[in-house]
Amino acid sequence: QVQLVESGGGLVKPGGSLRLSCAASGFTFSDHYMGWIRQAPGKGLEWVSYISDSGNTRYYADSVKGRFTISRDNAKNSLYLQINSLRAEDTAVYYCARALEDSGGYYQGFEYWGQGTLVTVSS
Amino acid sequence: EVVMAQSPATLSVSPGERATLSCRASQSVSSNLAWYQQKPGQAPRLLIYGASTRATGTPARFTGSGSGTEFTLTISSLQSEDFAVYYCQQYNNWPPMYTFGQGTKLEIK
Repeated sequence: QVQLVESGGGLVKPGGSLRLSCAASGFTFSDHYMGWIRQAPGKGLEWVSYISDSGNTRYYADSVKGRFTISRDNAKNSLYLQINSLRAEDTAVYYCARALEDSGGYYQGFEYWGQGTLVTVSS
Repeated sequence: EVVMAQSPATLSVSPGERATLSCRASQSVSSNLAWYQQKPGQAPRLLIYGASTRATGTPARFTGSGSGTEFTLTISSLQSEDFAVYYCQQYNNWPPMYTFGQGTKLEIK
């Protein structure tokens, strides 16, 4: 079955950096677009970033553009999110998710989600 | 940026009754809309995509409708496991900017 397991979260000081990882299993990782979504404590969902199956194309929310970098290693079935210049408002649970695509290859939502990893930014 | 607004923020409904949740987009998103369910301490679950297509495993009591700027998620005959927070998400932009609504909490009356 499809499994997505995030890791790498933790407590970091403002201005610091973290690298989040997502280990995928149960499907052909290189066939699917992947994304990161975050959720601040007690708040709603915020789409963060999205990467093509090959890794050649990447997209970001305006709120993280220039500070976050999404990447993937298809040989290791892994997705990553490098987060730099962390701010208090980046405190959230970060979920990795697999995209659902229709027959034309168009995104239709995030079909599978991991359980998330918590990033806390505080001095 | 397309802004998604969900209403109401909280909906109180008795088990066995029907619940109707609304999602409005600040500009047309065609039928490029998904609905998710999230229970406390869990990751979201995709329920509906393409505004009206049930995702794998979504029970038939969940129905999505609408297009353009107005969308509805209807849950007929609420079961205990349906009480949760529901989010809509649009995916009409290119390049992608997949914005979510702020959520509707469906609680037991």
